[in-house]
Amino acid sequence: KNQVEQSPQSLIILEGKNCTLQCNYTVSPFSNLRWYKQDTGRGPVSLTIMTFSENTKSNGRYTATLDADTKQSSLHITASQLSDSASYICVVSASPTAGNMLTFGGGTRLMVKP
Amino acid sequence: EPEVTQTPSHQVTQMGQEVILRCVPISNHLYFYWYRQILGQKVEFLVSFYNNEISEKSEIFDDQFSVERPDGSNFTLKIRSTKLEDSAMYFCASRGRGTYEQYFGPGTRLTVT
Repeated sequence: KNQVEQSPQSLIILEGKNCTLQCNYTVSPFSNLRWYKQDTGRGPVSLTIMTFSENTKSNGRYTATLDADTKQSSLHITASQLSDSASYICVVSASPTAGNMLTFGGGTRLMVKP
Repeated sequence: EPEVTQTPSHQVTQMGQEVILRCVPISNHLYFYWYRQILGQKVEFLVSFYNNEISEKSEIFDDQFSVERPDGSNFTLKIRSTKLEDSAMYFCASRGRGTYEQYFGPGTRLTVT
């Protein structure tokens, strides 16, 4: 069964600090891995999408890495801001031949404190 | 910037009633999706829709569920006879051709009493 596991479940950091969120997946076949930011009660918003051949991708203060061999990804947030407080969800897509179903992780709930 | 919209934002219904959740995808998108998120749980895929037919559906999407694109703009999810366990946030998403990127709407919170 396809699964995406994230750690930690929750994290509290001080404003201005960096943090790294982890994602492990067992999705096959593999098409791409995405990181989403979800504010409470809102829809997920895409931060990065990486395909099999990409090791790293940045979007402003967010940098995602992908190791397709070990089936791990990380999301690094630099110089955190209060507005970064949200859930960060790792999502893996099976190959296009399996449709475009997304398997969602449970998310890491990040709280940035002043 | 174009966005996916959903109505209503919150729907309360009694068990056994039919509900229709509405979505307006981004105008030039061709692929449409419904997801649900039970409070405190993971987002789960329900169904994908392309070219006026279902592309894929999960085991959650049983005979009680149906989707429709009744006109050129709306995309609807119907739950025929709601159960208490259907209470969740329902997200619509759409995707354009040649990209993996799915854009999510703000969601409809469905409460079944």
